Amino acid sequence: DVKVTQSSRYLVKRTGEKVFLECVQDMDHENMFWYRQDPGLGLRLIYFSYDVKMKEKGDIPEGYSVSREKKERFSLILESASTNQTSMYLCASSLGGGYTFGSGTRLTVV
Amino acid sequence: GNSVTQMEGPVTLSEEAFLTINCTYTATGYPSLFWYVQYPGEGLQLLLKATKADDKGSNKGFEATYRKETTSFHLEKGSVQVSDSAVYFCALKPGTGRRALTFGSGTRLQVQP
Repeated sequence: DVKVTQSSRYLVKRTGEKVFLECVQDMDHENMFWYRQDPGLGLRLIYFSYDVKMKEKGDIPEGYSVSREKKERFSLILESASTNQTSMYLCASSLGGGYTFGSGTRLTVV
Repeated sequence: GNSVTQMEGPVTLSEEAFLTINCTYTATGYPSLFWYVQYPGEGLQLLLKATKADDKGSNKGFEATYRKETTSFHLEKGSVQVSDSAVYFCALKPGTGRRALTFGSGTRLQVQP
């Protein structure tokens, strides 16, 4: 069965910390995505990647960056965490059709 | 730009009731349309999809028809079960341009025994 694995289920970080959220897929998918999910707002696209070392900004990239050094891994980086980045973060991958999602990382910034 | 509008929830139904969750979209060109479901504590799972006008997607008793004339993709199920309680997201993937899904805000469904 195909899998997208997010390294942490729950994370608590302090304001100003640099935070890394990791996502690994085992399906050899070219496309990977990071979304954040907030009540009443649905899922909003932060960044996505079509290939290794390639990235594109989504709708809300401010305060975030990404890294894709290997095809299977797509990392989301919060350069200096702030309380308004408290959210559920969802990673997904696809080969062009539907997405496969990870279980999410609930990040709390205090 | 592209956008998806869903009816607000929560939607509360009794078991075996008929379900409709409305979804309308705005997009250029000919998007593909999706419904995803999120069960408590889990990520999103693809429920069904339709890739062109008048297509009907179906899965697990759920159905949705791609209506280009009304720019809609309403989700329906004839008889809901308690196990259908979840959050449902409508989404579109543009036919051209950025190859990323745009999601609606989600609709929480609560089914009572």
